[in-house]
Amino acid sequence: DQQVKQNSPSLSVQEGRISILNCDYTNSMFDYFLWYKKYPAEGPTFLISISSIKDKNEDGRFTVFLNKSAKHLSLHIVPSQPGDSAVYFCAARGDLINNDMRFGAGTRLTVKP
Amino acid sequence: NAGVTQTPKFRILKIGQSMTLQCTQDMNHNYMYWYRQDPGMGLKLIYYSVGAGITDKGEVPNGYNVSRSTTEDFPLRLELAAPSQTSVYFCASSYWQGDTEAFFGQGTRLTVV
Repeated sequence: DQQVKQNSPSLSVQEGRISILNCDYTNSMFDYFLWYKKYPAEGPTFLISISSIKDKNEDGRFTVFLNKSAKHLSLHIVPSQPGDSAVYFCAARGDLINNDMRFGAGTRLTVKP
Repeated sequence: NAGVTQTPKFRILKIGQSMTLQCTQDMNHNYMYWYRQDPGMGLKLIYYSVGAGITDKGEVPNGYNVSRSTTEDFPLRLELAAPSQTSVYFCASSYWQGDTEAFFGQGTRLTVV
């Protein structure tokens, strides 16, 4: 039962261009969404999040968009840099009582110089 | 600033052996979590704790046990290791749940042969 799906296992973009990573979810009870970035041999690190009451959240080069009706969110990185090359995980959480944060399988982003 | 520290980083176990994965955090976080990540999959919650003396099952608890005697430490015990427990294990902590991110350790790569 995969409630959070990242259908693209990998993405390759040129330095300076936009990277768009997508995530779909099935559980309408999710109300908080997070993106984590993971380098090899390291744990995931938090990147950006969005509450279900918003449709956009921006932090520097990173913007997350949420489309609740489509149960879809996306992470935009502009401009992409080689240091952004990593695996990106989408995660979703339910109400404040639910501790079970569900993760997608991840998308490996490669930014080519 | 150590954050979340996991030991060991790597371990090979024989079927039927037992071991404890150690996790400690120095951020005075109330919430701690254990996740496992299988190849090509997202992270799945094994157990979590909302404070010292309180633990609860996550999505995939079978074959594992935890304890939380202090705020800082949250060890994960594997009894009777099985090949299905071959995975990368991540410990995480957060100040509270809800609209806040979790901080992850570097992971423990466990192979059961």
